[in-house]
Amino acid sequence: DIQMTQSPSSLSASVGDRVTITCRASQRISNYLNWYQQKLGKAPNLLIYTASTLEGGVPSRFSGSGSGTDFTLTISSLQPEDFATYYCQQSYSTPLTFGGGTKVEIK
Amino acid sequence: EVQLVESGGGLVKPGGSLRLSCAGSGFTFSNAWMNWVRQAPGKGLEWVGRIKSDSDGGTRDYAAPVKGRFTISRDDSRNTVYLQMNSLRTEDTAVYYCTHTIFGHPYWGQGTLVIVS
Repeated sequence: DIQMTQSPSSLSASVGDRVTITCRASQRISNYLNWYQQKLGKAPNLLIYTASTLEGGVPSRFSGSGSGTDFTLTISSLQPEDFATYYCQQSYSTPLTFGGGTKVEIK
Repeated sequence: EVQLVESGGGLVKPGGSLRLSCAGSGFTFSNAWMNWVRQAPGKGLEWVGRIKSDSDGGTRDYAAPVKGRFTISRDDSRNTVYLQMNSLRTEDTAVYYCTHTIFGHPYWGQGTLVIVS
């Protein structure tokens, strides 16, 4: 199974901050990497797919990069509605596997 | 527009059974490989299993914690995939999602809550 290591597990940031979350795969997964945002009691909301493609309707302050084993989700200027938990997921092979999540909290 | 709609969740006693359904629309369901993913309260996301399309052999794969207890099936005439859950345990309490990926783009349903208590 491909292990996805996400870091940090939590962070505190202020509105307007630039935030970076990283995800490392235990083996190469090309660009088969998705990023989700999840708020309490809601289903995961797709932000980025195939590592860097922005989902329709998602604000452009979100961006994704990386290929192979190392990936990054960046929020260029954190907004109040961005406080949530973020997950990466590889779709390269079964079983689909997820990072442990990054909880973004208000500083 | 691609849509996935889960149903069938509820409260069940340990050792009991439940069948979840996921109805798909907006894509060619018979060609789709369908996954189930779950999320226990306050926990992360966990893959449960997958069924391939019949044209790709209809193979089913399961995560270790559910293997032998859960069965995924499909009815392409109804554009529906099922998750039959037997011998349920308290640790199976979770929101269950069905997912499907089209050209690298994942689609998820809104989930259905299963409580084993």
